[in-house]
Amino acid sequence: DGGITQSPKYLFRKEGQNVTLSCEQNLNHDAMYWYRQDPGQGLRLIYYSQIVNDFQKGDIAEGYSVSREKKESFPLTVTSAQKNPTAFYLCASSSSYQPQHFGDGTRLSIL
Amino acid sequence: QKEVEQDPGPLSVPEGAIVSLNCTYSNSAFQYFMWYRQYSRKGPELLMYTYSSGNKEDGRFTAQVDKSSKYISLFIRDSQPSDSATYLCAMSSTDSWGKLQFGAGTQVVVTP
Repeated sequence: DGGITQSPKYLFRKEGQNVTLSCEQNLNHDAMYWYRQDPGQGLRLIYYSQIVNDFQKGDIAEGYSVSREKKESFPLTVTSAQKNPTAFYLCASSSSYQPQHFGDGTRLSIL
Repeated sequence: QKEVEQDPGPLSVPEGAIVSLNCTYSNSAFQYFMWYRQYSRKGPELLMYTYSSGNKEDGRFTAQVDKSSKYISLFIRDSQPSDSATYLCAMSSTDSWGKLQFGAGTQVVVTP
């Protein structure tokens, strides 16, 4: 089945540790996105990429990094510089001027 | 002030009733409008997608866009307990089509 796979579903981070969230899509979409969802705040854009080897900061990029080496993959690293990383992270993808489709998210917590 | 405002609810309705949801926005450049449904601990699922103004119907769902009032609506007819979820509106402009602005989401509870 075509879709977006995020892994792991749950992730725990220790103080000072970087963690990487995986996002893979087999929809042949050019664009991919990372969002953060906090209770009562809706989704906020972290980074997005419209083509391979290119990406742009969203509204809340500080403390995060991404790479886009393959069309199918867009991993997100939550660095130790992100002081409040506990949230639900959602990856999405889309074709040009088409709506975004989402994965089922990764819930990140602090140990 | 947020670009997209959405009442967080919860909105409780009896089974079979019409659910009425809405969002207001401030950016007149928004042209693409979406409604997503999100179940607990899941990713948002696209329900409706509308470009510019007008109405769109898909089964029990109807989406309306009134650009003059900067107001969009989603109606769910013959609501079912399985419609209990959080509903998110999202929108973007042509210049920034990939940068969706989301409402905070409205929690809907349909009681049997």
